[in-house]
Amino acid sequence: ILNVEQSPQSLHVQEGDSTNFTCSFPSSNFYALHWYRWETAKSPEALFVMTLNGDEKKKGRISATLNTKEGYSYLYIKGSQPEDSATYLCAFRDSNYQLIWGAGTKLIIKP
Amino acid sequence: DAGITQSPRYKITETGRQVTLMCHQTWSHSYMFWYRQDLGHGLRLIYYSAAADITDKGEVPDGYVVSRSKTENFPLTLESATRSQTSVYFCASRDPGETQYFGPGTRLLVL
Repeated sequence: ILNVEQSPQSLHVQEGDSTNFTCSFPSSNFYALHWYRWETAKSPEALFVMTLNGDEKKKGRISATLNTKEGYSYLYIKGSQPEDSATYLCAFRDSNYQLIWGAGTKLIIKP
Repeated sequence: DAGITQSPRYKITETGRQVTLMCHQTWSHSYMFWYRQDLGHGLRLIYYSAAADITDKGEVPDGYVVSRSKTENFPLTLESATRSQTSVYFCASRDPGETQYFGPGTRLLVL
């Protein structure tokens, strides 16, 4: 059974501070790693799809790195703002093109 | 409107009743998915479809039935609802780049 772990489960960060959290996934038979952002009362929205070891992607103040050999990805948020408060999900794409989802990291930005 | 829609947005039903949740997308994406989201769990895949008339089970298919007679629609039916099926249900479609786009969700309460 494939398992995707995210840590921490939740995180409180002061506005203006930078933060990061982790997604761990199986290092064998890697196809792709997805990051999604899920605001309360909304639907998950895609941030990044990462496929290559060493990949680094950036969207505004949010960036992500990928290490497929050791099976982890980091999501970084620089200079956190209240609108960054959300649950951040990662998902590992398996050989059947299905996404195996982590339980998410809930980020709360304190003004 | 372009995008992916779900109906109803909220539903209360009783144990033993049949319930159908609707999902419609306007992009002509081949792949569509049904997930459920419960406290303490990540998104769990119920069923998915690779194309019209092609469906397959996900992680938690028991008690659910799907059909896909047209590319744009992917209804999910609970044949005889149980309390354990109280959940938030998300439909999603996937673009060729593997990004999944989620509907707004249906909150289902089974009494």
